[in-house]
Amino acid sequence: QVQLQESGPGLVKPSETLSLICAVSGGSINSYYWSWIRQPPGKGLEWIGYIYYSGSTTYNPSLKSRVTISLDTSKNQFSLRLTSVTAADTAVYYCARRSYGSGSYDSWGQGTLVTVSS
Amino acid sequence: QSVLTQPPSVSGAPGQRVTISCTGSSSNIGAGYDVHWYQQLPGTAPKLLIYANNNRPSGVPDRFSGSKSGTSASLAITGLQADDEADYYCQSYDKSLSNSGVFGGGTKLTVL
Repeated sequence: QVQLQESGPGLVKPSETLSLICAVSGGSINSYYWSWIRQPPGKGLEWIGYIYYSGSTTYNPSLKSRVTISLDTSKNQFSLRLTSVTAADTAVYYCARRSYGSGSYDSWGQGTLVTVSS
Repeated sequence: QSVLTQPPSVSGAPGQRVTISCTGSSSNIGAGYDVHWYQQLPGTAPKLLIYANNNRPSGVPDRFSGSKSGTSASLAITGLQADDEADYYCQSYDKSLSNSGVFGGGTKLTVL
């Protein structure tokens, strides 16, 4: 059973860069698609993007200019960078595994709250 | 405004049947992309409930079922139980958004 665990700063200042890591255990990162999804407090889910184990990426067009998702196969983890953050980026950030066939997200991390504030 | 439209809330008494709709367009559900459903209990991460329109992952009770037709999909829950009270989200992909993922706005299920 694969497990995912997010980590990173819980507070980021406006205009700075949000950086999170998702550690994957119980399975290799050298397969599947690996994704980030966020949820502002009291609101719905927003898809951020994913990276295939080959390194190819797909991003939400509304965030594309500010987002980078990358893999670190040596540590079996992947990461999210979101630049020039504002208060609107305050959210619980989830990492998740996308299944090959269906495109559903079958494993999720517990989520980590990131607050953008000075 | 979410790309997929869900009712904000539904409710039902224990034992009853409820359905949650998910309406998309010709660039997502209508384009042939599968629809997936997630259950989010308060304070927890979403959990996959239905994948590829009408398939249940191992461990999900058969009280939960999904369907898809045209540009819409539905989640049905029969024999409502108190612990079904949660937020439910549909998810698909959209070719007009470079095949990025899209979610519905979520539906709060209240068990009366």
